[in-house]
Amino acid sequence: DVKVTQSSRYLVKRTGEKVFLECVQDMDHENMFWYRQDPGLGLRLIYFSYDVKMKEKGDIPEGYSVSREKKERFSLILESASTNQTSMYLCASSFRDIHTGELFFGEGSRLTVL
Amino acid sequence: EDQVTQSPEALRLQEGESSSLNCSYTVSGLRGLFWYRQDPGKGPEFLFTLYSAGEEKEKERLKATLTKKESFLHITAPKPEDSATYLCAVRVAGRTDKLIFGTGTRLQVFP
Repeated sequence: DVKVTQSSRYLVKRTGEKVFLECVQDMDHENMFWYRQDPGLGLRLIYFSYDVKMKEKGDIPEGYSVSREKKERFSLILESASTNQTSMYLCASSFRDIHTGELFFGEGSRLTVL
Repeated sequence: EDQVTQSPEALRLQEGESSSLNCSYTVSGLRGLFWYRQDPGKGPEFLFTLYSAGEEKEKERLKATLTKKESFLHITAPKPEDSATYLCAVRVAGRTDKLIFGTGTRLQVFP
């Protein structure tokens, strides 16, 4: 079974803090994604990566950056957290087709920014 | 504008009471429709892919169908363990394909 592991399930941060969300997958998938999920808005794509050191902006990249130094690891960075970034963050991976809807998700990281 | 709409927002069923969830879409070109199950506090779990009108997929008490405008997730004789939020997503054809998620149907099945 594919396993996507997100390092922190729950985080509470203060406005202006730098936040790192880490994600690791163990199935050698080429593609990795960061989504955020908010009530009534569905899942929205923040960034994705199709290879080591490669990254592409999704629909809502503002206020976020990412890093992919190794194939299995994809990190989401909030340089200066703001209250409107309070959300559930979901990491996902897939193989081959970057646009496939067959995604394997982690358990999520619920971030609260005070 | 490409849109994916799921209905109802919430559904309460008695155990054994069959029903259907709807995912309707208005997109420029469909390259696949995907169903997920999401338990509270967890990430979505992939269930099915449908590519063309008339296609059906089944898994245990779930059956997904697709027409040119919508998809249904039929739940036959549901059990309490089927309680979850069910999400659909549509892959939209374009210069660069994109994936659009619906907001989900929250299903509760009572014994």
